[in-house]
Amino acid sequence: EAGVTQFPSHSVIEKGQTVTLRCDPISGHDNLYWYRRVMGKEIKFLLHFVKESKQDESGMPNNRFLAERTGGTYSTLKVQPAELEDSGVYFCASSRGGQGSGNTIYFGEGSWLTVV
Amino acid sequence: DQQVKQNSPSLSVQEGRISILNCDYTNSMFDYFLWYKKYPAEGPTFLISISSIKDKNEDGRFTVFLNKSAKHLSLHIVPSQPGDSAVYFCAASDPTNFGNEKLTFGTGTRLTIIP
Repeated sequence: EAGVTQFPSHSVIEKGQTVTLRCDPISGHDNLYWYRRVMGKEIKFLLHFVKESKQDESGMPNNRFLAERTGGTYSTLKVQPAELEDSGVYFCASSRGGQGSGNTIYFGEGSWLTVV
Repeated sequence: DQQVKQNSPSLSVQEGRISILNCDYTNSMFDYFLWYKKYPAEGPTFLISISSIKDKNEDGRFTVFLNKSAKHLSLHIVPSQPGDSAVYFCAASDPTNFGNEKLTFGTGTRLTIIP
């Protein structure tokens, strides 16, 4: 079974440019999450999809961030325009369906974003 | 407001000895706790979890203990091996928060096993 895959693994862009990160969850996982780790700090929740619907986007920093999951399969996270403080590692994660605790959440290797 | 705290940023342990990593939380609504292990340039890898209805869960060399009254959990690794050297994240979820499994992470503890 393939794990959570993310693309690109690394991206260096200039301030003001746009970057789109892609995540392919584990096949059959309805839940898809985006997390971010900035400057070696804690990993912070950004948002959660259940299939194609946004269940919780309370962690999205501002309206420069846009996440989509068309068709309930892969997801994209777009940052437009990128700012210096957006630099960090963006992790995607997925878990099986059903709400409530107890489902293990599996993480991808992350997309490293550097804004210069 | 840090709801999950790992107060030790680093820990060094001799190979073969026991490693004990600690985690404290403040949100009494958390009911599921997980430990993730992270190597450099990789994503967090699930290690072990525990539900709030239990006080101990064991999986091979790894045991997690939960003390709900103290809002404290710990991860024991015994015996410690060089491959255990990594950053360990404690995480917790609150099912009442939008009814999902959103994880709140601690800042991590870097464990170094000394051969």
